[in-house]
Amino acid sequence: GAGVSQSPSNKVTEKGKDVELRCDPISGHTALYWYRQRLGQGLEFLIYFQGNSAPDKSGLPSDRFSAERTGESVSTLTIQRTQQEDSAVYLCASQAGGGGNEQFFGPGTRLTVL
Amino acid sequence: EDQVTQSPEALRLQEGESSSLNCSYTVSGLRGLFWYRQDPGKGPEFLFTLYSAGEEKEKERLKATLTKKESFLHITAPKPEDSATYLCAVGETSGSRLTFGEGTQLTVNP
Repeated sequence: GAGVSQSPSNKVTEKGKDVELRCDPISGHTALYWYRQRLGQGLEFLIYFQGNSAPDKSGLPSDRFSAERTGESVSTLTIQRTQQEDSAVYLCASQAGGGGNEQFFGPGTRLTVL
Repeated sequence: EDQVTQSPEALRLQEGESSSLNCSYTVSGLRGLFWYRQDPGKGPEFLFTLYSAGEEKEKERLKATLTKKESFLHITAPKPEDSATYLCAVGETSGSRLTFGEGTQLTVNP
């Protein structure tokens, strides 16, 4: 595809349920990032993949959050036992190579935990 | 720890009224400073990367500049379609993540 895609675009869930968010990066981009954006705030780093490995997962807020990447392509962010404070927009970005290159963002998934 | 502070939080301009947005940063080693534009309900859209003090980049009505402590995004003769939130972010030499500021919400009235 021409850009980064994410699904679903919106997700409403009940407290305590698990959710999976998907990211399809730009073809050929080896680096992939997940960020979280709470209402009216800047982006908060969650995890970084280079290929299928995650050399930096220091931004994951708790062990309820996990992510994986397969085939150096699709990535899934999983949130277990969701809490109301998990409500936010989850953004994925991909990058050619890594380092100082620009990151290209998807449209995000808006997660609402009731 | 990297820190990015953007000011003002919100800015209202009349069409044609030029102004500047500020991004102050603290980072142990700057790998790059990035400017993004974000429209409501959408992901950030890449605008510029600046790598060293004194560097400038331009795109249409936007011009970004960089010093050792801050970056400015100058908007010349803005139009209503320039209304958006402008985000600044820094990357550190020791890592790949970006640290974002909270953004400046720009509104340009016709």
